[in-house]
Amino acid sequence: GAGVSQSPRYKVAKRGQDVALRCDPISGHVSLFWYQQALGQGPEFLTYFQNEAQLDKSGLPSDRFFAERPEGSVSTLKIQRTQQEDSAVYLCASSLDRGSYTQYFGPGTRLTVL
Amino acid sequence: TQLLEQSPQFLSIQEGENLTVYCNSSSVFSSLQWYRQEPGEGPVLLVTVVTGGEVKKLKRLTFQFGDARKDSSLHITAAQPGDTGLYLCSGNQFYFGTGTSLTVIP
Repeated sequence: GAGVSQSPRYKVAKRGQDVALRCDPISGHVSLFWYQQALGQGPEFLTYFQNEAQLDKSGLPSDRFFAERPEGSVSTLKIQRTQQEDSAVYLCASSLDRGSYTQYFGPGTRLTVL
Repeated sequence: TQLLEQSPQFLSIQEGENLTVYCNSSSVFSSLQWYRQEPGEGPVLLVTVVTGGEVKKLKRLTFQFGDARKDSSLHITAAQPGDTGLYLCSGNQFYFGTGTSLTVIP
């Protein structure tokens, strides 16, 4: 794969539904990051993985948000009982290792909660 | 939370004009990155600065890291419509600024 891919690109959910957002990082990249971005604003950090280990989840806004990366490659961000304030673009990024300054971002998943 | 504030928030200029975007914080950063993001896409890294006082040039873009490593600026010379986008600074990888939306009018 040439870059980071995310699916779906767009997701519409009714309030209270659960959603799962997928991120396929660049092959061989150790570090993986999830961000939440409101329209016209900068991304806000949600969580960070090094391989399969979730080293920092301090940015997850509530216990309805859960992320996993069980085999150290693909990652899933799950949001339970979605609420309207969860509407945003969810960005995934990967980098070669923790010491690398260069993060490669996917195109994002735009989540709209009705 | 390490707050990074950018100014201006919005900027609309004519092609050929010069502009400067600022990124300020009360925190010290070991590294600072600048990204550009276009609609429907993820941010793309433009540059990383790590040394206080460092200046880096990328064609018509000049990036400066403050001596105290708390602030940075991005200067664009002779802006072109292709420079249009959301410019983001980021400190220590995780923390992003509030963003500057630039529109260059042909």
